[in-house]
Amino acid sequence: NAGVTQTPKFQVLKTGQSMTLQCAQDMNHEYMSWYRQDPGMGLRLIHYSVGAGITDQGEVPNGYNVSRSTTEDFPLRLLSAAPSQTSVYFCASSAPGQGVTGELFFGEGSRLTVL
Amino acid sequence: SQELEQSPQSLIVQEGKNLTINCTSSKTLYGLYWYKQKYGEGLIFLMMLQKGGEEKSHEKITAKLDEKKQQSSLHITASQPSHAGIYLCGAARMEYGNKLVFGAGTILRVKS
Repeated sequence: NAGVTQTPKFQVLKTGQSMTLQCAQDMNHEYMSWYRQDPGMGLRLIHYSVGAGITDQGEVPNGYNVSRSTTEDFPLRLLSAAPSQTSVYFCASSAPGQGVTGELFFGEGSRLTVL
Repeated sequence: SQELEQSPQSLIVQEGKNLTINCTSSKTLYGLYWYKQKYGEGLIFLMMLQKGGEEKSHEKITAKLDEKKQQSSLHITASQPSHAGIYLCGAARMEYGNKLVFGAGTILRVKS
């Protein structure tokens, strides 16, 4: 069982470039989410999805876009990268019916640097 | 300011010593989650506390929830190098939809 897989693990962008962070899970989880982790600030929720075709904003959605066309995949798009988006990004999912009240399964993270 | 305040921010303990990490919420707690993160890796779920006074243990790690104080404590007995990492507490905020907020984390180093 692969769990939650994130790609790429590392990425360097120039200001203004766009890119997509990929997240895939093979556990048939309905709930998927994206967090960013910054020193001293813990994890902050960017966007989340409770099922295919349904997405919603978290705490810090500006500059990011998501879609959920399948249960397995939840890509995060940076529309025009800014240095403030330099961070470590985590994708997480949870079992059907659990939402955030159950155990979240995290990917290993994607470290993004914007120059 | 953070909704969940963790203390201490970091600590270094000698192997074999006990330690406690605290997590205090500025809002009513309906459930409290503890996760552990090793450097360069994702978060691993440790345990979930849902009821006031609840106490759970996982190997040598024990967590308690005090609903009145809106606080949880994580206690490690006889620390080992394998306990080193970042410990984060999280709380569900159902009033904001499906949102889990996290504290800033406590960095634990264990000296052998």
